[in-house]
Amino acid sequence: ETGVTQSPTHLIKTRGQQVTLRCSSQSGHNTVSWYQQALGQGPQFIFQYYREEENGRGNFPPRFSGLQFPNYSSELNVNALELDDSALYLCASSLPGKETQYFGPGTRLLVL
Amino acid sequence: DQQVKQNSPSLSVQEGRISILNCDYTNSMFDYFLWYKKYPAEGPTFLISISSIKDKNEDGRFTVFLNKSAKHLSLHIVPSQPGDSAVYFCANNDMRFGAGTRLTVKP
Repeated sequence: ETGVTQSPTHLIKTRGQQVTLRCSSQSGHNTVSWYQQALGQGPQFIFQYYREEENGRGNFPPRFSGLQFPNYSSELNVNALELDDSALYLCASSLPGKETQYFGPGTRLLVL
Repeated sequence: DQQVKQNSPSLSVQEGRISILNCDYTNSMFDYFLWYKKYPAEGPTFLISISSIKDKNEDGRFTVFLNKSAKHLSLHIVPSQPGDSAVYFCANNDMRFGAGTRLTVKP
């Protein structure tokens, strides 16, 4: 059984650019959530996808968008990058109706 | 809104002693709480959880206590081991996380 994987591990972008982060869910998990973790803070919920549909969203602007694919892998897209978008981005997969989430190692994004 | 708060950014204890990590919450609507542990360069891993129908849940060295009237939960680790050194997050079932407490267990 493979765990949650994310790519890339690190990324540097400049203000105004767009970025796509990728996540492969744990086998059998059809629910994926994305989080932003700024330095010294806890993970902040961005959104969740279940069976390829957005299933909940935190307090993030529309320039944060996502996709989930039939194989349950997913993407987080961020447009018009801002300096404050610099953070660790975590994805987590879970079984529907189960509170326990399984996190990937994260993608560290630096916006210059 | 900070539904889940961890007011202690760090805690240092001696190996073999008890570690107590605290968490407060504001919204009683979410009645399931989880603790996650995070090592550097890794994602958080699930540690233990508790639902509001219980006031205690134990798993080996880890025990979580829930005080609903005070809207407070705590994680007890006994005995603490150096390998427990990590950042601990509490979270509710609305996917709200606290800011974390960095635990350091000294040999």
